[in-house]
Amino acid sequence: QKEVEQNSGPLSVPEGAIASLNCTYSDRGSQSFFWYRQYSGKSPELIMFIYSNGDKEDGRFTAQLNKASQYVSLLIRDSQPSDSATYLCAVKGTGGYNKLIFGAGTRLAVHP
Amino acid sequence: DAGVTQSPTHLIKTRGQQVTLRCSPKSGHDTVSWYQQALGQEPQFIFQYYEEEERQRGNFPDRFSGHQFPNYSSELNVNALLLGDSALYLCASSLGGYGNQPQHFGDGTRLSIL
Repeated sequence: QKEVEQNSGPLSVPEGAIASLNCTYSDRGSQSFFWYRQYSGKSPELIMFIYSNGDKEDGRFTAQLNKASQYVSLLIRDSQPSDSATYLCAVKGTGGYNKLIFGAGTRLAVHP
Repeated sequence: DAGVTQSPTHLIKTRGQQVTLRCSPKSGHDTVSWYQQALGQEPQFIFQYYEEEERQRGNFPDRFSGHQFPNYSSELNVNALLLGDSALYLCASSLGGYGNQPQHFGDGTRLSIL
């Protein structure tokens, strides 16, 4: 079992719809969770981070965290074709310094 | 406010050679982490530097080494290059070595081994 798991996709949604991306993690002690967007051939770009149970909203993006279920999700409202990218879920490793453990990423395709 | 900068952008080497990649952290950041991202894969943690010391290391051989300078910039060195070292090398910076602060990535160095 991988430490951080995501569905590889592709997740295809129509323009204007809500895209829902999911991530599960195995280390119950994990405290910090991050979502990165990566366009093909580019580097990861931080779009959201969440530390506490519940929802955190920033513009069209909402991150949701449920530590009891070891589940993190990212919702993208009013999806645009420019949102088409791979979304990487990352979890900070426990036990000290700031190592990030990534899931394999979910490829999102928003079609007009 | 300058972000994370990496150099060079692209590099082509042959097997057995050595390479040095450079990273300047985002203004105000003091911690640098390096990741390797093979084509089609997620980034894999190589090591992290804070206060000029290697604080944590991933599952990479000793051929991979690094350094952090007093101005917080960092270098990644790879010796005896193998074909499998071809990848995008990502530098990420953050504030505070032991904490939850987000990591911000540079544009990466794409290394090709022939």
